[in-house]
Amino acid sequence: DTGVSQDPRHKITKRGQNVTFRCDPISEHNRLYWYRQTLGQGPEFLTYFQNEAQLEKSRLLSDRFSAERPKGSFSTLEIQRTEQGDSAMYLCASSSTRQWRNTEAFFGQGTRLTVV
Amino acid sequence: AQKITQTQPGMFVQEKEAVTLDCTYDTSDPSYGLFWYKQPSSGEMIFLIYQGSYDQQNATEGRYSLNFQKARKSANLVISASQLGDSAMYFCAMSRTSGSARQLTFGSGTQLTVLP
Repeated sequence: DTGVSQDPRHKITKRGQNVTFRCDPISEHNRLYWYRQTLGQGPEFLTYFQNEAQLEKSRLLSDRFSAERPKGSFSTLEIQRTEQGDSAMYLCASSSTRQWRNTEAFFGQGTRLTVV
Repeated sequence: AQKITQTQPGMFVQEKEAVTLDCTYDTSDPSYGLFWYKQPSSGEMIFLIYQGSYDQQNATEGRYSLNFQKARKSANLVISASQLGDSAMYFCAMSRTSGSARQLTFGSGTQLTVLP
């Protein structure tokens, strides 16, 4: 069990470009979450998947954002036409509903996006 | 809507002493969960402790305990015997359902510094 893995760790992009982040959850975890964290703030919920189904989306997730989890394993988060306001840490977390305590969400180390 | 308030932007504690980090919450849901996470400078969110809204007893996990006062809507974290490695940002969070880590709402955090 290597924990939640996110790639890349850092991404610098020019405004208007598209970026894609990847998250590999803990292998037996069926739930996967994306959060965004700006400097000095707590994380904000973006979306979550149970297996391959995207069950909830925050109003923060504008039309430029899309997330997928095609086979119920890894997930991708794409941001199209990036804006400077998209600069943030993007955190992925996973949890399991099949464990006796499904309250523990394990977070990855995040992808830090800087839009210049 | 749910809201978490952490009124202490920064706290200092002497090594080996106990410290209490404050958290108040607001929700109209009868069922919810309360969480504390630690975020070191590396960026990864580390789960510390969980309390369900229907739990009668305060949660404890090693040196961490959660002082849950439902009537006051507070969920303070107590760290006993502080260690230098406890220096980090601490976030209080709440879920919309007891017994689940779905869709967490986070506070703005408290930066704890443990002094030698």
